[in-house]
Amino acid sequence: AQTVTQSQPEMSVQEAETVTLSCTYDTSESDYYLFWYKQPPSRQMILVIRQEAYKQQNATENRFSVNFQKAAKSFSLKISDSQLGDAAMYFCAYTDAGNMLTFGGGTRLMVKP
Amino acid sequence: DAGITQSPRYKITETGRQVTLMCHQTWSHSYMFWYRQDLGHGLRLIYYSAAADITDKGEVPDGYVVSRSKTENFPLTLESATRSQTSVYFCASRTTYQETQYFGPGTRLLVL
Repeated sequence: AQTVTQSQPEMSVQEAETVTLSCTYDTSESDYYLFWYKQPPSRQMILVIRQEAYKQQNATENRFSVNFQKAAKSFSLKISDSQLGDAAMYFCAYTDAGNMLTFGGGTRLMVKP
Repeated sequence: DAGITQSPRYKITETGRQVTLMCHQTWSHSYMFWYRQDLGHGLRLIYYSAAADITDKGEVPDGYVVSRSKTENFPLTLESATRSQTSVYFCASRTTYQETQYFGPGTRLLVL
């Protein structure tokens, strides 16, 4: 079974600074997808960014980018120019053709003004 | 664009009662999913459906029943609620050809 691990239960960053959240996963599949979801206090699950495993280029979405290391099975999220609204739980998630999203345990990000 | 909605948003019930959580999506997505999120954890899949009248178990299906008579609706029923089913329940959907799942706002269920 696939597993997703987020080793940082909590992180903090100063407003306008950059922070990187870590995620590792375990799979024997070669074709899969990875995601970062943001969950603010409202509990809504919001897609931040996605990465297809077959793509070598790292995905970017405005201030959010990933460092996808397929051989190392690592998928970290970098948030640049952090804003107060970035404070939330962040979940790394994995799926292949099996339909199920497998989530990590989450990282709580705090942003200091 | 309503997207994906869940009702009720909050529910308190008692042990042994039947509870149905509703999920409705307006995107005509073929796939729909039910997840539960327990305090301090990520989401775990309960059931999913690839199309109307097609459902399959996820990681934690025991104690739950689903149906999908219409593409847009995917109700989740707890036949006899237990305290261990106190959780936040999320519905999600996706298209046939895209792996990205989009989530509803969640239903917070408390079983006393």
